[in-house]
Amino acid sequence: NAGVTQTPKFRILKIGQSMTLQCTQDMNHNYMYWYRQDPGMGLKLIYYSVGAGITDKGEVPNGYNVSRSTTEDFPLRLELAAPSQTSVYFCASSSFEQFFGPGTRLTVL
Amino acid sequence: EDQVTQSPEALRLQEGESSSLNCSYTVSGLRGLFWYRQDPGKGPEFLFTLYSAGEEKEKERLKATLTKKESFLHITAPKPEDSATYLCAVRGGSEKLVFGKGMKLTVNP
Repeated sequence: NAGVTQTPKFRILKIGQSMTLQCTQDMNHNYMYWYRQDPGMGLKLIYYSVGAGITDKGEVPNGYNVSRSTTEDFPLRLELAAPSQTSVYFCASSSFEQFFGPGTRLTVL
Repeated sequence: EDQVTQSPEALRLQEGESSSLNCSYTVSGLRGLFWYRQDPGKGPEFLFTLYSAGEEKEKERLKATLTKKESFLHITAPKPEDSATYLCAVRGGSEKLVFGKGMKLTVNP
């Protein structure tokens, strides 16, 4: 089992550009989550999903969108990148305990 | 609102010097308290789940305990490879976790 995989590992965007962060899990978990982690601020929940076709906002959803068409995949979309979105992004999946991917380090210049 | 506070924010120990990390929490209907370890540049790695006051779990040099208001992560005779950031999180009535800001542990040889 690969667990939770994320791509890309690193990305630099210019202000106003768009991109999709990919997340895939092979544990057949219903629940999936997107977090951002900023220095000294802990993990903040962006969006989560309790199953295919169902998504909901977390604590910091502004500037992001998600979709969940399959159990395995939960992509995160940034439409108009802003410097405030510079962060490390983690995807997680869960049946009860959450298991995390390796993260995507995003810089917006 | 569910809250988690970890202390201290950072801790430096000498190899072999035992200590404890504290996680204080407030939550409506605790369903689980979780400890994670995070190495630099990596995603959080699941360590323990505690479900009710009085419960204890151990893994190598780590032991986690739980009361109705706080959890402790006891580190016995730590080694340099135990250096990491340790995260505490709680789950109440929803499918979401609330994380503390983490505690950076450095163990010097």
